[in-house]
Amino acid sequence: SQQGEEDPQALSIQEGENATMNCSYKTSINNLQWYRQNSGRGLVHLILIRSNEREKHSGRLRVTLDTSKKSSSLLITASRAADTASYFCATGYSGGYQKVTFGIGTKLQVIP
Amino acid sequence: DSGVTQTPKHLITATGQRVTLRCSPRSGDLSVYWYQQSLDQGLQFLIQYYNGEERAKGNILERFSAQQFPDLHSELNLSSLELGDSALYFCASGGAGANVLTFGAGSRLTVL
Repeated sequence: SQQGEEDPQALSIQEGENATMNCSYKTSINNLQWYRQNSGRGLVHLILIRSNEREKHSGRLRVTLDTSKKSSSLLITASRAADTASYFCATGYSGGYQKVTFGIGTKLQVIP
Repeated sequence: DSGVTQTPKHLITATGQRVTLRCSPRSGDLSVYWYQQSLDQGLQFLIQYYNGEERAKGNILERFSAQQFPDLHSELNLSSLELGDSALYFCASGGAGANVLTFGAGSRLTVL
């Protein structure tokens, strides 16, 4: 079963607008990560936020984490057509080993 | 180039056959993860190895098996293939610290 669930499953916006994607998860985590996947290609790591952090920025990306609600959000500001991709959240936790489990993804389309 | 090498890139085979997918992790990474991604689906975690030992098992079918060799490359064996096994199979590698994963480009398996 998937650990994380992204919401919405699909999002279409105009270039220049902001895009917000949400992720909910079920169990305690050490960190939460966001990855991007261009169609049919491998995933690329975007940003990691640790369980003791609430917010993190990287360029046009802003990630928040609310461990009490077991949720995270990814904000992409001033979107570009090149941001069109699927975005996945992944939860990392250690229970004697490291395991990374992915959600089903949000498919973002940025219209030029 | 992510540093994770997967071969073959594409594979077409018939039902009932057996195939082997190969993954070489990024230099210095000890963990190898295998994921299955069916059309427009999320990533299903199959199995994880760390330094040659199996560490975590996900939704891996009994017809599938994997191993990690002393040189840290990994192979995923898929046998008695069915049409539903057609998918992208990703290998990802990770270091000993945080759970950030580096993905290969994937192996696209088509079962006819």
